[in-house]
Amino acid sequence: DAKTTQPPSMDCAEGRAANLPCNHSTISGNEYVYWYRQIHSQGPQYIIHGLKNNETNEMASLIITEDRKSSTLILPHATLRDTAVYYCIVIGHGANNLFFGTGTRLTVIP
Amino acid sequence: EAGVAQSPRYKIIEKRQSVAFWCNPISGHATLYWYQQILGQGPKLLIQFQNNGVVDDSQLPKDRFSAERLKGVDSTLKIQPAKLEDSAVYLCASSRQGLSAEAFFGQGTRLTVV
Repeated sequence: DAKTTQPPSMDCAEGRAANLPCNHSTISGNEYVYWYRQIHSQGPQYIIHGLKNNETNEMASLIITEDRKSSTLILPHATLRDTAVYYCIVIGHGANNLFFGTGTRLTVIP
Repeated sequence: EAGVAQSPRYKIIEKRQSVAFWCNPISGHATLYWYQQILGQGPKLLIQFQNNGVVDDSQLPKDRFSAERLKGVDSTLKIQPAKLEDSAVYLCASSRQGLSAEAFFGQGTRLTVV
């Protein structure tokens, strides 16, 4: 079962920051928050993950609330190539199954 | 490094026929996954291998689906006989041992059963 809730779709203007929310109110203390995205006709692509602290890499930033019940994926300067379905996944590190829900379809508008 | 390779890219078959998909994971990745993605849904795990042993096949319809990973490298997924509802994209992914959530996916095989 999905442990996360995401809005089904969002739009973002090109060049602006895209903020994708995820609720995971039942997350356990040893579970991580992972984000993947899937561009049309491609397999999912790992973006970032975190446990408690905020994380940043070359693709995105992950902001996790202090109570860990929600998080936000931030694409600082969205481009048309960022149009994709974004999946927020909660999983124990080293666990077997990546459970993909239906994700958020982000459309970057020129 | 080379990514996860899958073939064929597309396949169209009639119902009750059989079909096989092939996957070559990233070199050195011990864990291999097969996912099924029906249009409009997220990928669903069918089977997971650790080297050449099955870790989880609880979601694999074993009456018609089978998978093997000989020598712990390449893998094949077979459907026999196919049904209309098997139309989907079949994704293969691999990861280093112990880091199952950081998986690398292939482009998938799009199967259409008519």
